[in-house]
Amino acid sequence: DAKTTQPNSMESNEEEPVHLPCNHSTISGTDYIHWYRQLPSQGPEYVIHGLTSNVNNRMASLAIAEDRKSSTLILHRATLRDAAVYYCILRGLIQGAQKLVFGQGTRLTINP
Amino acid sequence: GAGVSQTPSNKVTEKGKYVELRCDPISGHTALYWYRQSLGQGPEFLIYFQGTGAADDSGLPNDRFFAVRPEGSVSTLKIQRTERGDSAVYLCASSLGESGYTFGSGTRLTVV
Repeated sequence: DAKTTQPNSMESNEEEPVHLPCNHSTISGTDYIHWYRQLPSQGPEYVIHGLTSNVNNRMASLAIAEDRKSSTLILHRATLRDAAVYYCILRGLIQGAQKLVFGQGTRLTINP
Repeated sequence: GAGVSQTPSNKVTEKGKYVELRCDPISGHTALYWYRQSLGQGPEFLIYFQGTGAADDSGLPNDRFFAVRPEGSVSTLKIQRTERGDSAVYLCASSLGESGYTFGSGTRLTVV
């Protein structure tokens, strides 16, 4: 399974932007980059995913490097409810590579 | 309902007993996944169904664990001869095509 590397923890302030980095230097051409987050005592929640181009949705933006070896999840204006563990995961298309393999993620703390 | 439903939400069982955990996916979602999560860790993949068949069961830890999805909708995870090390939160997710996964809130299993 393709691996990702994320910082163990990050801290930011309420109402400020947050940039969560992820390295995936062994990504293959058909791997999608997925981001999920997990709030305390809840199951993971889908945030966003992309292949090559930057993506935006109501929750966040995903900036993908041109060589696809890294990406950044951007929360434009953090709130206290954004405090969670954020997981960056590669998901393939071929049989056996379609499952999400979670790492340790980044624990994001938001200060009021 | 609109989400993935898991029952029971909590289960306490004695060592050596048999347990069944149920997952109701989102209607129409063809893919269903089981994960388990220990405290402080990311979710660990167990098994993935595409329709009625197990497409990837490489994460099942041993032959005490078994899962079925007989009609391509509801799935049951079965654990025989439970051990204290099986204590964890068991998460179910479903998806359709290349969409993101939707996770349930999980079943917290405690083996005493």
